[in-house]
Order: sequence, then structure tokens, then C-alpha cells
Amino acid sequence: EAQVTQNPRYLITVTGKKLTVTCSQNMNHEYMSWYRQDPGLGLRQIYYSMNVEVTDKGDVPEGYKVSRKEKRNFPLILESPSPNQTSLYFCASAVNTGELFFGEGSRLTVL
Amino acid sequence: LAKTTQPISMDSYEGQEVNITCSHNNIATNDYITWYQQFPSQGPRFIIQGYKTKVTNEVASLFIPADRKSSTLSLPRVSLSDTAVYYCLVGALKTGANNLFFGTGTRLTVIP
Repeated sequence: EAQVTQNPRYLITVTGKKLTVTCSQNMNHEYMSWYRQDPGLGLRQIYYSMNVEVTDKGDVPEGYKVSRKEKRNFPLILESPSPNQTSLYFCASAVNTGELFFGEGSRLTVL
Repeated sequence: LAKTTQPISMDSYEGQEVNITCSHNNIATNDYITWYQQFPSQGPRFIIQGYKTKVTNEVASLFIPADRKSSTLSLPRVSLSDTAVYYCLVGALKTGANNLFFGTGTRLTVIP
């Protein structure tokens, strides 16, 4: 089954404690992306990757890092999380026409 | 880079046809128009995609005028389960640049 898998789905952490949200897709897509969703603000792009070892900033990259060492994986790294990074995070992969396939989301709370 | 504008919210009664329009004045030649549906706390789900004219699938139709500066998602005979947020996204990956922008979406509420 074609899917995008994120882990963890839910996480409560404290300010400054590094964390990584993993994302994996099994569709051999070159494009992958991370979004965050906050009430009233819709989906905002954090980082995206056009292919292995190719990443770039989206609209709201501050406080986040990513890496793309393999085509299937695109982890999101919060080196020093802060409360304003409390949000619902979605990973997605896409085909060339821009049709995006989303994961189920990771709800992060930073205390 | 194409940005989109949609109505913030819409209400409809069950069984009616719903049309949601999206404006995208700066659409580029290579851009596709894609609509997604999102339920609370779930990832957006693909509904339909088009480039020009009309596209129809088992759940919706997409109407795109010749100038492609807008598009209309048509949902026939909505039910309560169609209550969701609908996003219009304009872009493509062919240029090698990131141009997959989401607008704020349209919150559709279907009333019994």
C-alpha cells in the first residue's frame, strides 16, 4: 500500500530537548516536504526536498533542520524546541504534477 | 509564484451541489490545479487535479476556464460526511522550484 509514515504521532516534550520526527514514503517520490498546521493559519511549509541531498527552506524554516540522505526518508529535526513550535506537523511526498501524499500527522507539544 | 484565494467558509444543506471557487491570478504555464480535502487532525487527501477545461472523477468535478486564473471544485449532492476544509493548490515540480503553496482553505459545513 502506498503511504507516507510519520513517527511519533503524538509527543510531549520540554523546551530545549532535541527531538526528531521521522517520515518515510514507499512510493519512490523524489519530492518530500514538511508542513506545520496551526489554528487559523492553514498549512505552512517548513522545508522541502527535491531529491536526495537537495533540501531548501519553505515559508517557516526557523528552528528546524532536515536531511535527505535516502530517497524514502526525510526527518524533521528540532534542535532546541520552544513552545511556539507546538503544532500539528505533516510530512508529504509528491509526484511531478504536484499531487501530494500526506502522512497522518504528528502532534507535538513543547512545554 | 502562484498564490490562491478561496472563501473562508461555506454552508450547504445535504443533497445540494456545492461549488467552491479558487482564484489564482498568477498561475504559471506549467502549473496544475489540485484540490484536497482535510478532516480535523488528519492529513489532506487528494480529491481532483486538472490543467485546463473540465475534469471529473467519482467524487467531484473541476472546472477551469480558458485563462486558468480561477477554478471551481464542484461536489454533487453533498452529505454530512463532506463537512471538511477544502484546499486549492496551484503548482508543479517541473521547473525544479518549490511552488506548492496552500491557501487558507474553505471550511464547508453540511447541514442536515
